[in-house]
This record gives sequence, C-alpha cells and structure tokens, in this order.
Amino acid sequence: KAGVTQTPRYLIKTRGQQVTLSCSPISGHRSVSWYQQTPGQGLQFLFEYFSETQRNKGNFPGRFSGRQFSNSRSEMNVSTLELGDSALYLCASSSGQAYNSPLHFGNGTRLTVT
Amino acid sequence: GENVEQHPSTLSVQEGDSAVIKCTYSDSASNYFPWYKQELGKGSQLIIDIRSNVGEKKDQRIAVTLNKTAKHFSLHITETQPEDSAVYFCAGATFGNEKLTFGTGTRLTIIP
Repeated sequence: KAGVTQTPRYLIKTRGQQVTLSCSPISGHRSVSWYQQTPGQGLQFLFEYFSETQRNKGNFPGRFSGRQFSNSRSEMNVSTLELGDSALYLCASSSGQAYNSPLHFGNGTRLTVT
Repeated sequence: GENVEQHPSTLSVQEGDSAVIKCTYSDSASNYFPWYKQELGKGSQLIIDIRSNVGEKKDQRIAVTLNKTAKHFSLHITETQPEDSAVYFCAGATFGNEKLTFGTGTRLTIIP
C-alpha cells in the first residue's frame, strides 16, 4: 500500500506570494489533516478534512486554507506569505478522525519564505 | 484548550540503556495520548498510543505509562539501539475538543 505523498518536497517563495501544497492520502483513508512544524513550536494543527468537508480547524489566520477533492486528495493554500510561514508542512491521513486515530504522515513540504 | 509540554528537548543515551521522555497535559478531560517517531526523510510514524482507561501499555521495547491524577504520561524505551535515534513527539486529545495537541518534541540520540 502506498504511503502518504506530499508534493513538492521543497518550495522557496517570496513574501507576499501565495503557495499551494498537495497531499495524497493512503488509499481508503478519508481524513486528511495538516500540520505546521517549526523548531520552537513543534507540530501545530492547521485543519482536518473528511469527505471534502472541513471538520476542524486550528488557530491559524484565514490566509491558511485548504480543500479536499472527491478522491480524498487535499491541497493547502497559504496566501500573502510572511517570513514566519517558513516551516515544514506535514499532512497526515487516517481511517478515522484525526484526533483519536493513528495518523500516517507524509514526508512533508519544506517551505522557505524570503 | 489543551496544552502539552514535553521534556527533555534533547536526550543522549548510551546504547543498551533506557530512555524516558515525559509529557504533561493541562486538560483533565484528555483521553487519547499517542507517541510519534520522526526520522529524517522517513516522515513520522505512530509507535504507541494509550487511552485514558488504561494506565500502561507495552509493545516489545516500548512502553507508555499514564498518570491521570498528575496529568502526565511517559514514553519508555528499553535496550536502546542506534535505530531508536530520532525525534519523538507526544500528543494529547480531548473528545470534546476533537483536536490533537502535540508536544514540542525530543531529539533522542543513541550513543554507540
């Protein structure tokens, strides 16, 4: 069974630009959740999608948004990039709800904002 | 909301010795506590989890203990091996909140 695939692996963007990250979950998993990982903050929950609907959201500004397609693939978008958005963005898929089911993580997309 | 604190941030252990990582949580209603191992280039994987109706869970060399009164849970790795070197994250979740809150991670280094 293929694991969770995130693309691209690396991104370099300039302040003010926008970026779209992609995540393909494990086949059969309908929940996809996104996390921001930074050295000082660890992993912080961004949002979770299940069957194309946002089920839950973390404490991030509206510049961070996402969506899920009918095949469970998910995209995350960050608009008007700020230097502080530089981080490793991880997506995870699960067969049940993200908050109480084993998560299967992708390798992440490392975003650098200059 | 839930707050999870993890200690230590770095830990070096001689190969064959035991390693212990501790996490404390703030919400007494939290009921699910997973541990994830993050290796460079391999993503993160669940290594063990525990629910609030259990005090201890073991899987070969790995064990997790939960103290609900003190609101802390710990990861124990015995007979450590070089492949145990990684960053470990604890997390806690509350049924009502439906969000998983992670600790800040512990970088474990096994010294051969």
